[in-house]
Amino acid sequence: GENVEQHPSTLSVQEGDSAVIKCTYSDSASNYFPWYKQELGKRPQLIIDIRSNVGEKKDQRIAVTLNKTAKHFSLHITETQPEDSAVYFCAASGVFQKLVFGTGTRLLVSP
Amino acid sequence: GAGVSQSPSNKVTEKGKDVELRCDPISGHTALYWYRQSLGQGLEFLIYFQGNSAPDKSGLPSDRFSAERTGGSVSTLTIQRTQQEDSAVYLCASSVSVGNTEAFFGQGTRLTVV
Repeated sequence: GENVEQHPSTLSVQEGDSAVIKCTYSDSASNYFPWYKQELGKRPQLIIDIRSNVGEKKDQRIAVTLNKTAKHFSLHITETQPEDSAVYFCAASGVFQKLVFGTGTRLLVSP
Repeated sequence: GAGVSQSPSNKVTEKGKDVELRCDPISGHTALYWYRQSLGQGLEFLIYFQGNSAPDKSGLPSDRFSAERTGGSVSTLTIQRTQQEDSAVYLCASSVSVGNTEAFFGQGTRLTVV
């Protein structure tokens, strides 16, 4: 079955810096890669996703890149703000396959 | 429209008791997932339902855990003879179909076994 690894487990940056979180997956059949943000005490919420037919997707300050050959994908947050502080989870799945999550990255943005 | 709803929000139970956790998915979503999140930890897959197909139970940690989904809508996760290590937040999510579509999470049920 699918296995998703995520690094780093914690990431501290200064406000305005960029943050990068990386994930690798094992199942070459996976074709959907979402990223979720979970604020303290809240439910996880989708912030961006990418499908295997594209290599990069952007939405304002966040972007995701996908390298299918290497089976890894990354989340990039530019111009970080304190409200970006949260736990971020990557995930992978394929058609009619369960959504498997990485172990999460705790991002702390200091003012 | 309404999102994914879970009840109760919090549940404190004594060790050895049985508990039932409920999930109301978004109307029309055929896929429903259960995950477990221990304090400060990741999202551990438990089970998913997809339409009328047999559920994928591969993540259930022991035979004390079971789940059902009636009428393709509401789901109940049952934990029998609860243990302290079962204490966690149990999250339900639903999506249009299992796999490559956005999963919407409920607010979770925080279970504490004392």
